[in-house]
Amino acid sequence: KAGVTQTPRYLIKTRGQQVTLSCSPISGHRSVSWYQQTPGQGLQFLFEYFSETQRNKGNFPGRFSGRQFSNSRSEMNVSTLELGDSALYLCASSSTGSETQYFGPGTRLLVL
Amino acid sequence: GENVEQHPSTLSVQEGDSAVIKCTYSDSASNYFPWYKQELGKRPQLIIDIRSNVGEKKDQRIAVTLNKTAKHFSLHITETQPEDSAVYFCAASSGRSGYALNFGKGTSLLVTP
Repeated sequence: KAGVTQTPRYLIKTRGQQVTLSCSPISGHRSVSWYQQTPGQGLQFLFEYFSETQRNKGNFPGRFSGRQFSNSRSEMNVSTLELGDSALYLCASSSTGSETQYFGPGTRLLVL
Repeated sequence: GENVEQHPSTLSVQEGDSAVIKCTYSDSASNYFPWYKQELGKRPQLIIDIRSNVGEKKDQRIAVTLNKTAKHFSLHITETQPEDSAVYFCAASSGRSGYALNFGKGTSLLVTP
């Protein structure tokens, strides 16, 4: 099976703009989670989607949002970008009933 | 919420030696503990995981131990090789309303020949 894929891989935005990142899970996986990775804070959980419903949410401001489509692909959106949003955004998928998460390669976002 | 602490933050060992990384967690409901290896510029890769009904698990040169009473778990790598050099992350999950992973801050392991 193909692994988790994310697009785009790199992105440069300026403060105040918004951005949408995409994640395609492993075929058959219905759970998609998103994480933010920064040198200072490490890996932090953003949210998890299962069957198009947000199942869990981390401690991030409302500027961070996401959704999941009927084919399990997921998008996350960050509005009104701040310099501190510069990070590697990783998504991970897992199969139903399994906690094991498989990560995608990430989208590296730079906010100028 | 869950808090996972990981030590040490950096670890340097000679090839062939053993490496041990330790993590503690705060949520007694946590029941799933994976370890990920992340090489520079790459995605985190699951290397081993353990569930709370098991005290120890081994896969070739890698082992993980779990002490539920003390709320800590450890990664042991034996006969280290230069290709083991990477950042290692521990994580914990309670499985409450989903599979959110709470990660430790990572350990940068350097194996010198």
